[in-house]
Amino acid sequence: NAGVTQTPKFQVLKTGQSMTLQCAQDMNHNSMYWYRQDPGMGLRLIYYSASEGTTDKGEVPNGYNVSRLNKREFSLRLESAAPSQTSVYFCASSAFWDYNEQFFGPGTRLTVL
Amino acid sequence: DAKTTQPPSMDCAEGRAANLPCNHSTISGNEYVYWYRQIHSQGPQYIIHGLKNNETNEMASLIITEDRKSSTLILPHATLRDTAVYYCIVRFLTGTASKLTFGTGTRLQVTL
Repeated sequence: NAGVTQTPKFQVLKTGQSMTLQCAQDMNHNSMYWYRQDPGMGLRLIYYSASEGTTDKGEVPNGYNVSRLNKREFSLRLESAAPSQTSVYFCASSAFWDYNEQFFGPGTRLTVL
Repeated sequence: DAKTTQPPSMDCAEGRAANLPCNHSTISGNEYVYWYRQIHSQGPQYIIHGLKNNETNEMASLIITEDRKSSTLILPHATLRDTAVYYCIVRFLTGTASKLTFGTGTRLQVTL
């Protein structure tokens, strides 16, 4: 039982490049989330998927798109990366949107030059 | 979600109890108090949550004041591995507002 896995662990992009961050969970959870964490700050919610087939914007969605590929996988795409998107990205999942604690992945460290 | 106020940092000697305070004076009746921690650069880890009664699990105890305007997370016997940033979060458990909003937390340093 790996929990929440994220790929890649590290990535360096040039401004304007695109990439997709992958997230998968093996806990049969219904809800999945993407957060970003900037230095010295708490996590901020980018997008979430309360259940398979639905996605919604969080606090800081601009510049990102998401896809809930199936129940296990939730990807985050940067279409045209900007230096302001340099951050650590965490994926999380929970059994349901309501009531349940979230389990976090190890994070992806992204640098945009 | 109600805002929370936590001290930016605290120290604790190994083996002693670590008491981490949190103020949430604008909490509503339907909001729960959650605690997460983040060790070094790892993903946050759930610790405990409660509504108004005190709660205890294998990791910690949560003490919520009777007026619910503040709470304390207690790590009964802190170890070096408890060095982390601890986040106090208040959240609704249902509906579109049911999301975690992280502040900057308290950086707990456990020393020998």
